Amino acid sequence: EVQLVESGGGLVQPGGSLRLSCAASGFTFRSYWMHWVRQAPGMGLVWVSRISSDGSTTNYADSVKGRFTISRDNAKNTLYLQMNSLRAEDTAVYYCARVPETTLFDHWGQGTLVTVSS
Amino acid sequence: QSALTQPASVSGSPGQSITISCTGASSDVGGYNHVSWFQQHPGKAPKVMIYDVSKRPSGFSNRFSGSKSGNTASLTISGLQAEDEADYYCSSYTASGTWVFGGGTKVTVL
Repeated sequence: EVQLVESGGGLVQPGGSLRLSCAASGFTFRSYWMHWVRQAPGMGLVWVSRISSDGSTTNYADSVKGRFTISRDNAKNTLYLQMNSLRAEDTAVYYCARVPETTLFDHWGQGTLVTVSS
Repeated sequence: QSALTQPASVSGSPGQSITISCTGASSDVGGYNHVSWFQQHPGKAPKVMIYDVSKRPSGFSNRFSGSKSGNTASLTISGLQAEDEADYYCSSYTASGTWVFGGGTKVTVL
């Protein structure tokens, strides 16, 4: 069974940093592109970032470019999102998703909540 | 990248069909056959219902269908059921090599 489990969320002050993790199991993690998508409380989905199966290609939404870094460790079956210079508007539930085809976000984690507040 | 435009809400009675629109631009919806639709129940993770405009993931209900014309994609739910009450989001690949979501549509089963 495919499982994605996010962790690392919490309360952080504006300007602070946080690293999210997404532990994958039940499939060959190194074969899949992975994405991060976030959702502010009561709001819609917003795409954040993606990374290729081997980690060589990454893309970011303009709103996080230069502040967030996506990475992966295929030996540990884990996806990461390093978030720096956090702002109040980064407050959201962050989901990781497996994407075997361009728009087939076929499995999602349960999400981890990041709250940026003083 | 501006969010795709969806109606805030759509409603229908059980058994009816409803259609949700998703309007973008030639740089996203209109330029690629890479549109997907997601269903999200309160407190749950999103679930893909349609991808690549009109493809259904294996084993998913054929009551859900997708189409596209120009810069507008559409999701049709046929034979509306109580469990279809949820938020629905469209998404598209973009010319910038990124993805953009719609603002979401709340579907109410009357």
